[in-house]
Order: sequence, then structure tokens, then C-alpha cells
Amino acid sequence: DVVMTQSPDSLAVSLGERATINCKSSRNLLYSSNNKDYLAWYQQKAGQPPKLLIYWASTRESGVPDRFSGSGSGTDFTLTINNLQAEDVAVYYCQHYYFPPPFTFGQGTKLEIK
Amino acid sequence: EVQLLESGGGLVQPGGSLRLSCVVSGFTFSNYAMNWVRQAPGKRLEWVSGISDASDRTYYADSVKGRFTISRDNLKNTVFLQMNSLRAEDTAVYYCAKSLNWEFYFDSWGQGTLVTVSS
Repeated sequence: DVVMTQSPDSLAVSLGERATINCKSSRNLLYSSNNKDYLAWYQQKAGQPPKLLIYWASTRESGVPDRFSGSGSGTDFTLTINNLQAEDVAVYYCQHYYFPPPFTFGQGTKLEIK
Repeated sequence: EVQLLESGGGLVQPGGSLRLSCVVSGFTFSNYAMNWVRQAPGKRLEWVSGISDASDRTYYADSVKGRFTISRDNLKNTVFLQMNSLRAEDTAVYYCAKSLNWEFYFDSWGQGTLVTVSS
């Protein structure tokens, strides 16, 4: 199975600053036929289901603030949150969806306000 | 508005069975794949199973293969997860989640239903 490893496990950032979360895949998630990376990012607030933020490694889901951006390709990916807001406190997960299943998630990164 | 509502969770003894249901609204159910994703207390998310729009393809995590069965009823806008031979390690909140047929990122999720396997 593909192993997704996030870093750091937790992160404390001041309001208005930038948060950076990394995700490393044990396999190349770039599919050469369409030149797309099969990588998504989710935000999960306490007591809530996950919410899709980013797919195809860098495509923002409709309604997601442009403070959230995804980058990277192949095996190394980054979620960046600019101008951190109080409502961004959550656990963030990366997930691959490259066939075949299983579609595994990272262990999560807990983001707090400093 | 897209809505997914799970039901069927509860307390069950090891070796027992449960059937989860997820009723959806707000989108054309028969055009999308559906999935179950679970989260044990304090643990990462774990994709469990997926089914294509026409039910012609089903997928399972190795941890549940042979014990769980996913199915759907496109007339009733409902996806099911039949869980047999349950183990303590199956204890989790189970979410249903919507995806495209060949692109299994999950753009809509239900609120989840708790399954507890304990004697």
C-alpha cells in the first residue's frame, strides 16, 4: 500500500502568519497520461467530518478561501495557509487517490494558534 | 444542497454484524461513486470501501475484504455497508463520502455514524 507521511505532526502559528504542511508519498502520484497528481487535502475541525480543500494537488475546491493553496508533484506535496485565521484551527490530512486502491491518508497535522 | 445522512451504527459484540446506510440528496446519486471512510478514536482517516455509479465495480481495503460488502440502490439514493465478523479494531466513526468514478477524492461527506465493537 502507498504510505502517506505528513510533517510536522503538529504546528502552532500566529494569527496572520503562514502555515506550511508537508506530505510525502511512498510512490509517484503523477500519472503520465494526463500529467495530473492524484493528491487531495482535507481539513477536519473538532467533532466534524473532513472537508475537501484541494484536489489534483493544487486545484482549490469551490468555496475554499484562496488563503489555502497546494503545491508539489510526484512524491512531495505542500499545503500552505496564508494569513492564518482563528477558524483554520483543525487537523489537516493529505490523501492519495492513485489506482489501485486502497486510497490512503496521511496521519494528520494538527494546526493551532500560537 | 448536498446532504449525506448515515445510520445503522451502534454497539455490537465481536463476531456480530451491522448494516450501515447512507441516504443522499442534492445531487444525481446515480452519476457518482460512493465510499465509506472510517476514523477510529484519535486515529487517521481510513478509506474502507468504494462502489461505482452503476455498481459494476467495488473496492475494499484489505482490513475488511471478505467481511464487509458495499452495495447501493440508485432508486432509493442509498448506499449500504454490510459488516460481518466484526472485530474490536473496527470500532470507529463511519462516514459515507461521494466521489467520481475514477477519481476517488471525496468532495462531500456525511456526519458519520459510530460503530462500537465490544463485549
